[in-house]
Amino acid sequence: AQSVTQLGSHVSVSEGALVLLRCNYSSSVPPYLFWYVQYPNQGLQLLLKYTTGATLVKGINGFEAEFKKSETSFHLTKPSAHMSDAAEYFCAVTSGTYKYIFGTGTRLKVLA
Amino acid sequence: EAGVTQSPTHLIKTRGQQATLRCSPISGHTSVYWYQQALGLGLQFLLWYDEGEERNRGNFPPRFSGRQFPNYSSELNVNALELEDSALYLCASSLAPGLNTEAFFGQGTRLTVV
Repeated sequence: AQSVTQLGSHVSVSEGALVLLRCNYSSSVPPYLFWYVQYPNQGLQLLLKYTTGATLVKGINGFEAEFKKSETSFHLTKPSAHMSDAAEYFCAVTSGTYKYIFGTGTRLKVLA
Repeated sequence: EAGVTQSPTHLIKTRGQQATLRCSPISGHTSVYWYQQALGLGLQFLLWYDEGEERNRGNFPPRFSGRQFPNYSSELNVNALELEDSALYLCASSLAPGLNTEAFFGQGTRLTVV
């Protein structure tokens, strides 16, 4: 069975600092991995996805993530945090039955 | 192009009542997914419909049900509402199912059971 673990339900960074949100997955088949962002009172918006090919994936708003099979990780990073990045971030993996399995989310707070 | 639309945006029901939530997918999308986002529990998979058929179901009791119409819109019904059903219900749609198919989400319906 597939699963996703997001380490840290809350992360705080200073504006301009590196953002690192952690995601580890478990999958018995080659995974397809996603990061979504959710702003208050809104649905989820896709930031980036990994399917096959290049393991470093670039997404919107300056975010990127690296697929590391040996570590079963897909951590999300951004070199310099902006106030507008404050939101909740969800890592997801697709299973063999096509449903998306989400982590419990990480709420990012950006300090001025 | 219109995104995924959900209605109503807010719904308040009394315990024991029934709630009906609606979702219109992006034009051309045949798959619709329903998720429950309860406080502190992340997104829990409820149901997946494709081409009018229920393809998969999460670990929820039978009082959670739904359907997909010929125009691919979908409806989620929750019978015999319980207080713990209070949550944000998110609908997502995608093209024909595939492991690398992006899911597009609606804004959600916030259900409050009192």
